[in-house]
Amino acid sequence: DQQVKQNSPSLSVQEGRISILNCDYTNSMFDYFLWYKKYPAEGPTFLISISSIKDKNEDGRFTVFLNKSAKHLSLHIVPSQPGDSAVYFCAASGMGRGDKIIFGKGTRLHILP
Amino acid sequence: DVKVTQSSRYLVKRTGEKVFLECVQDMDHENMFWYRQDPGLGLRLIYFSYDVKMKEKGDIPEGYSVSREKKERFSLILESASTNQTSMYLCASSLLTGFRNEQFFGPGTRLTVL
Repeated sequence: DQQVKQNSPSLSVQEGRISILNCDYTNSMFDYFLWYKKYPAEGPTFLISISSIKDKNEDGRFTVFLNKSAKHLSLHIVPSQPGDSAVYFCAASGMGRGDKIIFGKGTRLHILP
Repeated sequence: DVKVTQSSRYLVKRTGEKVFLECVQDMDHENMFWYRQDPGLGLRLIYFSYDVKMKEKGDIPEGYSVSREKKERFSLILESASTNQTSMYLCASSLLTGFRNEQFFGPGTRLTVL
């Protein structure tokens, strides 16, 4: 049973345009969400996170939006650059110390020249 | 800069062999993690550790064990490797306890079990 779903395995976006990566979750106990980016042959790197007490968090070109009622979050990248081509993983965690982290399957983003 | 290093980038082992994957971090982080990444499955947590000599099971601990004798080193052990353990193994560390904190990942070890 997938608790964190990234339903688009891949996405292609023109350079300079907005990239929107989506993530849905099923567990209402999740209250913290993270995005990681992964290049081939490298480990993932942390990108941005959001707590459930917020509905938006912004860091430069990256903004994460959280819609708790829909159990949906999205990562917006504006403007998209060639270096953004990577796999993006959405992850979720709960409040308790025993709660672990659940990653989605990832979305491969291709930025087209 | 935090650096997490893994002992091998590529490893080929035979079924039934005992396999050690080593991970070292240089930033005095308390917490260390082992994941495996498989196509179509994302990252799945195998084991983690909040302190020296302490370990906790993740979501898929079966067939694995871990060792943390020193703060900077976290080893993943496959007692008897099987073909379904062919995967990319990723080690990570974080400064603060809990999964809400940024994790720093190593480059990964691609293990093939024949």
